[in-house]
Amino acid sequence: QKEVEQDPGPLSVPEGAIVSLNCTYSNSAFQYFMWYRQYSRKGPELLMYTYSSGNKEDGRFTAQVDKSSKYISLFIRDSQPSDSATYLCAMGFNQAGTALIFGKGTTLSVSS
Amino acid sequence: EPEVTQTPSHQVTQMGQEVILRCVPISNHLYFYWYRQILGQKVEFLVSFYNNEISEKSEIFDDQFSVERPDGSNFTLKIRSTKLEDSAMYFCASARTGNDQPQHFGDGTRLSIL
Repeated sequence: QKEVEQDPGPLSVPEGAIVSLNCTYSNSAFQYFMWYRQYSRKGPELLMYTYSSGNKEDGRFTAQVDKSSKYISLFIRDSQPSDSATYLCAMGFNQAGTALIFGKGTTLSVSS
Repeated sequence: EPEVTQTPSHQVTQMGQEVILRCVPISNHLYFYWYRQILGQKVEFLVSFYNNEISEKSEIFDDQFSVERPDGSNFTLKIRSTKLEDSAMYFCASARTGNDQPQHFGDGTRLSIL
């Protein structure tokens, strides 16, 4: 089973808020975990990339992976109107050239 | 920063016609992928390609689909006889190596079948 579940939202927050986005999955074989941002009529843009469990921080973005709970999160601090987009989680296996499995995406709107 | 480029941005085709979607992956990347996204649905994997061979394909990628790397820079997806349900955004992606490096996506081709 390759399912990845993600609440589609929409999620609306005021500028400066902390945003928490989450995905759950069922296949324990996933080893790579990614967050992509997608603006309307654009392709997925890589935000964060994590191997196995743990945390990774990049500026205002923090990605967390909890493999024991099969749960990943993306936190956005000090959210900006420019963060308004759809956020896609994606997961991959530890085998070269194989598919990424995507969640449906969460639509985020940050109001000024 | 290098990027994946896709042409055309929008393709309108009559049902039953053949269509070729084109992609130029990032130059030092070795793995190439096609995904599609039907409006309002998840991004779905179609096929991966490495060393001039298909590495993996999904159930969606049936005999109507084919991929080719005709030269050192282009990567194409051909749909032989398009159906209404082929209408979607088609994204090309590339990665420098296998899954230990992330896949980078182009902005897609919107395919509309009439």
